[in-house]
Amino acid sequence: DVKVTQSSRYLVKRTGEKVFLECVQDMDHENMFWYRQDPGLGLRLIYFSYDVKMKEKGDIPEGYSVSREKKERFSLILESASTNQTSMYLCATRTELQTQYFGPGTRLLVL
Amino acid sequence: GEDVEQSLFLSVREGDSSVINCTYTDSSSTYLYWYKQEPGAGLQLLTYIFSNMDMKQDQRLTVLLNKKDKHLSLRIADTQTGDSAIYFCAETPSLWQGNLIFGKGTKLSVKP
Repeated sequence: DVKVTQSSRYLVKRTGEKVFLECVQDMDHENMFWYRQDPGLGLRLIYFSYDVKMKEKGDIPEGYSVSREKKERFSLILESASTNQTSMYLCATRTELQTQYFGPGTRLLVL
Repeated sequence: GEDVEQSLFLSVREGDSSVINCTYTDSSSTYLYWYKQEPGAGLQLLTYIFSNMDMKQDQRLTVLLNKKDKHLSLRIADTQTGDSAIYFCAETPSLWQGNLIFGKGTKLSVKP
């Protein structure tokens, strides 16, 4: 079974803090993704990576950056958290059959 | 650009069939997916269909694809209260990128 884990299920941060969200997969997949999910807006792609040290912007990259130093780990960074970044963050990995498997999500609250 | 549309709510009685519909705009989509999200959880892949197929059946789930109308549906037979969740339709517009374009999700409520 594909396993995707995220470092925290719930996180509370203050405006201006630097926030790290970690995602780890155990299947040696090359492609990894970060989405955010908001009521009424569905899932939107923030960034994705197709290899170590490679990254591509998704639809809403502003205010975010990512890091992929090892194949199994893809980190999402909020350089200076803002209240409009309060959301559910979902990490996913893609298999050779083009299907994506998701982690359990991190619910982030920025005060 | 790409867009995926689905109705927001569906309510059925336990034991009935549920049909969740989805339309998409990108005719080059190669794969189409259905995901299920239970409260507070991540997305669980339910099933997927290749664009060269019309139908796929997996136990209680039946996926129908009409490429001409760009219409995808998910039928759940003998719907149970445990099927209550949000169901997302998604397409892959680019095999290279591999990212998914999601609909906003259909909330399925199953009444006993």
